[in-house]
Amino acid sequence: AQKITQTQPGMFVQEKEAVTLDCTYDTSDQSYGLFWYKQPSSGEMIFLIYQGSYDEQNATEGRYSLNFQKARKSANLVISASQLGDSAMYFCAMREGTGRRALTFGSGTRLQVQP
Amino acid sequence: DARVTQTPRDKVTEMGQEVTMRCQPILGHNTVFWYRQTMMQGLELLAYFRNRAPLDDSGMPKDRFSAEMPDATLATLKIQPSEPRDSAVYFCASGLTLGQAHKVNYGYTFGSGTRLTVV
Repeated sequence: AQKITQTQPGMFVQEKEAVTLDCTYDTSDQSYGLFWYKQPSSGEMIFLIYQGSYDEQNATEGRYSLNFQKARKSANLVISASQLGDSAMYFCAMREGTGRRALTFGSGTRLQVQP
Repeated sequence: DARVTQTPRDKVTEMGQEVTMRCQPILGHNTVFWYRQTMMQGLELLAYFRNRAPLDDSGMPKDRFSAEMPDATLATLKIQPSEPRDSAVYFCASGLTLGQAHKVNYGYTFGSGTRLTVV
């Protein structure tokens, strides 16, 4: 079974609007962390935001927020006030609390911000 | 800002040649990963080191790939012999993991990647 599922291969959003990128995860661990990375066309992987499984509040970093619904095992990324520079691939990833500490990545969502 | 440095940035090589990719993790980070990114498979973990010791290389084809950390400032990934199917972007990432500190945000920093083309 997929550990991280991103069901939206591509998304379009108008500049200045908000957009939600979906991510669901599968783990039996009680302790885990969820991450979002941005990969622009230049190729680098840029860390955006983190949510720990014990965190009671949704994480926020500037225009990025993570809508964490633990019971539904979802960790959606919300980008507010989209900018043209937000056009990129976005990857959701999970680090499980026991055993391996490596990140498992989803397949990504390509976001295009239109003027 | 602290960076993970990967060299070379781009590499084109002929099938059968040895390829060595290098990574300088962020000073003080005790965990290093090698990932491979392809269109078909996405981001796959190849190897994982903590405190220079290999913890997991189950994602790596053992017959041709090898990963080492000769010291805390250098991680290497070698392919010998290289094959066209090895063409991909190889990322190194480093971070800090402290035992059971799951609650702490120890995000991993990625290098810019090495784009490998085997012809």
